[in-house]
Amino acid sequence: AQSVSQHNHHVILSEAASLELGCNYSYGGTVNLFWYVQYPGQHLQLLLKYFSGDPLVKGIKGFEAEFIKSKFSFNLRKPSVQWSDTAEYFCAVNANTGFQKLVFGTGTRLLVSP
Amino acid sequence: EAGVTQFPSHSVIEKGQTVTLRCDPISGHDNLYWYRRVMGKEIKFLLHFVKESKQDESGMPNNRFLAERTGGTYSTLKVQPAELEDSGVYFCASSQDTGGIYNEQFFGPGTRLTVL
Repeated sequence: AQSVSQHNHHVILSEAASLELGCNYSYGGTVNLFWYVQYPGQHLQLLLKYFSGDPLVKGIKGFEAEFIKSKFSFNLRKPSVQWSDTAEYFCAVNANTGFQKLVFGTGTRLLVSP
Repeated sequence: EAGVTQFPSHSVIEKGQTVTLRCDPISGHDNLYWYRRVMGKEIKFLLHFVKESKQDESGMPNNRFLAERTGGTYSTLKVQPAELEDSGVYFCASSQDTGGIYNEQFFGPGTRLTVL
């Protein structure tokens, strides 16, 4: 069965600090990878995704993630966070088997202090 | 364009009662998904409809949960009878269907269910 691990449950940063959120998955086959974000009071929304090609993907709001196949990782990064990045971040995997379900990690709550 | 909507936003019920959650997907989206997040844990897949058919119901926890999507439009998820461990946030998502290729899932705001 697929699973996703997010190593940090809570992260507190000051504005302008750099961010890296870890995500590892367990599945031996081809996967599609995602980062979703949920801002306070809002819906889950897609931040970025990786299906194939360049393992460094760029998303909205200056976020990027790197797929490292040998490490089964898909870490999320942002060079300089803003107060508005305060949110909960979810890493998710879809095994490329034809089934569409997403398998999520437990989420990381990011608090950015001004 | 309207997004995925869910009703109610909150529900508080007693153990043993019945609750029905509703999800309206984005118009034209044939795929509809239900997920659940129990407090502090991961968001877990429950099931996937393609139009009115259940494509994958591998995540349904037990037979107290019944999902329907009559006519292939909105969907309901009924919990009967509700137990304490059913408390959590129930998310609905929808996506277009382009023939087996993965499509982005758009999520609704969720229904927070509390069973007392």
